[in-house]
Amino acid sequence: QVQLVESGGGVVQPGGSLRLSCAASGFTFSSYGMHWVRQAPGKGLEWVAFIRNDESGQYYADSVKGRFTISRDTSRNTVYLQMNSLRPDDTAVYHCAKDDPVLDHWGQGILVTVS
Amino acid sequence: DIQVTQSPSTLSASVGDRVTITCRASQNINTWLAWYQRKPGKAPNLLIYKASTLKTGVPSRFSGVGFGTEFTLTIDSLQPDDFATYYCQHYHGYLWTFGQGTRVEIK
Repeated sequence: QVQLVESGGGVVQPGGSLRLSCAASGFTFSSYGMHWVRQAPGKGLEWVAFIRNDESGQYYADSVKGRFTISRDTSRNTVYLQMNSLRPDDTAVYHCAKDDPVLDHWGQGILVTVS
Repeated sequence: DIQVTQSPSTLSASVGDRVTITCRASQNINTWLAWYQRKPGKAPNLLIYKASTLKTGVPSRFSGVGFGTEFTLTIDSLQPDDFATYYCQHYHGYLWTFGQGTRVEIK
């Protein structure tokens, strides 16, 4: 069965950096694009970033463009989110999700607190 | 950018009720719309994609209709497990946009 497990969250000061990882299993990782989606406390879901299965394209929400970078390592079945210049409004639970082309499987999420 | 507007933001209902949630897109999105269920502390769960296709394993009391700019999610005979927050999402052309969410609470 599909499993997505996020790691790398924590508390970081404003202006700091953090790298999230999402380990994937149960499907052919190289065949699917991957997303990051976040939910800030008391807010709704916000799509953050997407990477195509072959890394030929990366796409970002305007709110994170220029600060966040999505990447993937097919040898490790892992997708990453490098977050730089973090702001308090980046505080959220971050989920990775598999694209098919809807977000058909999600990880449980990892908390990032910018304070 | 395409915006999606969901209503209502909160809905109070009882077990056995039929509930309907609406999602409106700012421009024609054909049937590129999905619906998700979110419970506190759990990963979001895909319910419906392409506006009306039920994901395998999702109970048949969930249904979706719509085309273009107006879409609805209906839950027939609300069950205790259905009290949650529901989100619509537009997906196409490398931009994904969620609605604001509808919290279905117990009346």
